[in-house]
Amino acid sequence: DQQVKQNSPSLSVQEGRISILNCDYTNSMFDYFLWYKKYPAEGPTFLISISSIKDKNEDGRFTVFLNKSAKHLSLHIVPSQPGDSAVYFCAAMDWSSGDKLTFGTGTRLAVRP
Amino acid sequence: NAGVTQTPKFRVLKTGQSMTLLCAQDMNHEYMYWYRQDPGMGLRLIHYSVGEGTTAKGEVPDGYNVSRLKKQNFLLGLESAAPSQTSVYFCASRPGLAGVTYEQYFGPGTRLTVT
Repeated sequence: DQQVKQNSPSLSVQEGRISILNCDYTNSMFDYFLWYKKYPAEGPTFLISISSIKDKNEDGRFTVFLNKSAKHLSLHIVPSQPGDSAVYFCAAMDWSSGDKLTFGTGTRLAVRP
Repeated sequence: NAGVTQTPKFRVLKTGQSMTLLCAQDMNHEYMYWYRQDPGMGLRLIHYSVGEGTTAKGEVPDGYNVSRLKKQNFLLGLESAAPSQTSVYFCASRPGLAGVTYEQYFGPGTRLTVT
């Protein structure tokens, strides 16, 4: 039972354009969400997070949007750069059931120069 | 600071052999985690620890044991390796109850192949 889903395994965008990565979840108890970025042969690195009491959080070129009624979050990268090419994982946490993250399966982003 | 380090980086085991993966962090973090990553599966939690001397099961604990004898170290053991345990293993840590963020810091991973 995949509680966090990233339905697009890959995405390709032109440098300078917007990248939009999507994530859906099924567990309505999730109350904190994170995005991680992973380069090959490295561990994931934290990118940005959002609490369920917010609907938007920005950090430089990265913005995460949360739509609780739709159980959907998205990561926007503007403008996209070739160095953003990586696998992006969304993760969710239900604080009431313990300090554990549930990860999606990842989306591979390729930014074309 | 080295952050989170994992030893070894690569290992090949034969079915039935045992081994221990070591995770060390120098950030004085309370919480530590072991994940495995398989193609098309994302990261799945094996075991975790909320403090020295404590451990708890994650999503896929079968076939693994862990120990947290020292705050900075979290060991993952495979008692009798099986080909299904071929995977990339990641360790992560995070500070204790801070309330502001729950981000976890990951190590570089250990690639394990069981033949």
